Amino acid sequence: QQPVQSPQAVILREGEDAVINCSSSKALYSVHWYRQKHGEAPVFLMILLKGGEQKGHDKISASFNEKKQQSSLYLTASQLSYSGTYFCGTEGWGSNYKLTFGKGTLLTVNP
Amino acid sequence: NAGVTQTPKFQVLKTGQSMTLQCAQDMNHNSMYWYRQDPGMGLRLIYYSASEGTTDKGEVPNGYNVSRLNKREFSLRLESAAPSQTSVYFCASSEDRGREQYFGPGTRLTVT
Repeated sequence: QQPVQSPQAVILREGEDAVINCSSSKALYSVHWYRQKHGEAPVFLMILLKGGEQKGHDKISASFNEKKQQSSLYLTASQLSYSGTYFCGTEGWGSNYKLTFGKGTLLTVNP
Repeated sequence: NAGVTQTPKFQVLKTGQSMTLQCAQDMNHNSMYWYRQDPGMGLRLIYYSASEGTTDKGEVPNGYNVSRLNKREFSLRLESAAPSQTSVYFCASSEDRGREQYFGPGTRLTVT
């Protein structure tokens, strides 16, 4: 089952914050986050493993609530370079490490 | 390091034609993947190879075959192309299963 991402699209001004959510109907072992700019390949951001770990780099962080099968990606003080489509990929228990990706969230950061 | 390379970048096929998409990685990764990306659908796994010598079906394997030629190379074959296979195809690799994946630049395939 494909995870559900929300919102589908968000428009920000530079410096504003955003939260992107990823929900699954199945028990998850891990959640991966990727960003894809138009016409380019997806680029890895971070992996969250079960246990509610919060990881981050720069001003992008994420959390994983394994009880709710949800992950959230937090973008703080957004920069123009944050624009792109964000995908979560979920790995379910027993899925043999296969990722199922959501449909993506289009983030646009304007000056 | 080139990372993950894919050939060709663009391809137009007629219905019924066959072709092979090539993928190679120079990071000594064990696992390799083929995805397709359609507008509004996200990335869908076609096949993957957890390690050299093994392959497994993903979410949308029908109409495709794969070969893990060696540790570096993982090819995707369309035996009889159909318009429904018009898509952007991405190859990816990871050090091992469950680790972060590195994607190639993609192949844009159109089947008429």
